[in-house]
Amino acid sequence: GENVEQHPSTLSVQEGDSAVIKCTYSDSASNYFPWYKQELGKRPQLIIDIRSNVGEKKDQRIAVTLNKTAKHFSLHITETQPEDSAVYFCAASGTGGSYIPTFGRGTSLIVHP
Amino acid sequence: EADIYQTPRYLVIGTGKKITLECSQTMGHDKMYWYQQDPGMELHLIHYSYGVNSTEKGDLSSESTVSRIRTEHFPLTLESARPSHTSQYLCASSTLTGPYEQYFGPGTRLTVT
Repeated sequence: GENVEQHPSTLSVQEGDSAVIKCTYSDSASNYFPWYKQELGKRPQLIIDIRSNVGEKKDQRIAVTLNKTAKHFSLHITETQPEDSAVYFCAASGTGGSYIPTFGRGTSLIVHP
Repeated sequence: EADIYQTPRYLVIGTGKKITLECSQTMGHDKMYWYQQDPGMELHLIHYSYGVNSTEKGDLSSESTVSRIRTEHFPLTLESARPSHTSQYLCASSTLTGPYEQYFGPGTRLTVT
């Protein structure tokens, strides 16, 4: 089955700095890679996703890059703000109806004002 | 408004009790999932379903059962609660054919004394 490794487990940055979270996956059949943000006491919510036919996707201050050959993908947050503080989860999945997403262990991002 | 609902939100029970955690969604999704998560930690897949009368076990054996008699309803039952079951339980749903984003419920915080 799929195995997703996520690093680092904790990331502490100053407001305005950039933050990068990296994930690797093992199953070459995976072709959908979402990122979820979970604020303290809240439910996880999708912030950005990417499919394997795209190398990079941006949405304002967040971007995701995918390297299919190396089987890794990364979340980039620029100009971090205190409200970016949360736990971020990556996941990998196929896009057929039978696929179940495999999640990374999560990264706790702390943005210091 | 389409959403995913969980009841109760908080539950404190004694060891050995039988409990059912409710999950309902008005998203029209076929796939539904149950995850166990300690606050801010890894998401552990307990059970999932592809649709009515479909139930599958996930990676975490939690001595629980699920049923899927109606598309919108996916209850989780613990036959005999133990202190090790103390955790947060998140229900989620997604489509079969895409987009593949998972939508999470607000969670049930369970404490077994």
